[in-house]
Amino acid sequence: GNSVTQMEGPVTLSEEAFLTINCTYTATGYPSLFWYVQYPGEGLQLLLKATKADDKGSNKGFEATYRKETTSFHLEKGSVQVSDSAVYFCALYHYNQGGKLIFGQGTELSVKP
Amino acid sequence: SQTIHQWPATLVQPVGSPLSLECTVEGTSNPNLYWYRQAAGRGLQLLFYSVGIGQISSEVPQNLSASRPQDRQFILSSKKLLLSDSGFYLCAWLQQWGGDKAFFGQGTRLTVV
Repeated sequence: GNSVTQMEGPVTLSEEAFLTINCTYTATGYPSLFWYVQYPGEGLQLLLKATKADDKGSNKGFEATYRKETTSFHLEKGSVQVSDSAVYFCALYHYNQGGKLIFGQGTELSVKP
Repeated sequence: SQTIHQWPATLVQPVGSPLSLECTVEGTSNPNLYWYRQAAGRGLQLLFYSVGIGQISSEVPQNLSASRPQDRQFILSSKKLLLSDSGFYLCAWLQQWGGDKAFFGQGTRLTVV
């Protein structure tokens, strides 16, 4: 069945460091891929999305590219800020396979000044 | 506008008591609906999802059940709660074509004592 695997956290970085959070998926066909973010004490909110192969989603300086050949959707940011400290979830939705929306286990990011 | 209501926000129930958590959606029709459990330090575990009235898919065999009596209503239930049912429960909805973001309720913190 469909699944999403994220790198384990927590990830601790210094301000202005480069961020990569790995996400790989298992699915047939072409699912839609998402990154959600959960800031401390808040609900989940969509960060970015990509709906077909080679699409690049971007928002707030974050980027992720839908790589069909490696079944990956890694999240990157060139220079993180303290305000980026949050839990990041990779997610997959496959319209043609029953409407299931599944999330990775989440990666906690802590950015130190 | 589209909104999602989930209640109650917090609940303390004794072991063996029944449970009913309700989720309703406004501003859309025929959405996909989801129940997740988020454990501390862990990801979002998909419990149930529904693509239409009366259609329920279960992801994890457990002490819980779900029902969708109306298009925009999704209920999570248990006949007899276990201590292990404690957790944070989230309801979400998504348009069936899946191209846009999922909307999440505020969550219910359930403590079984």
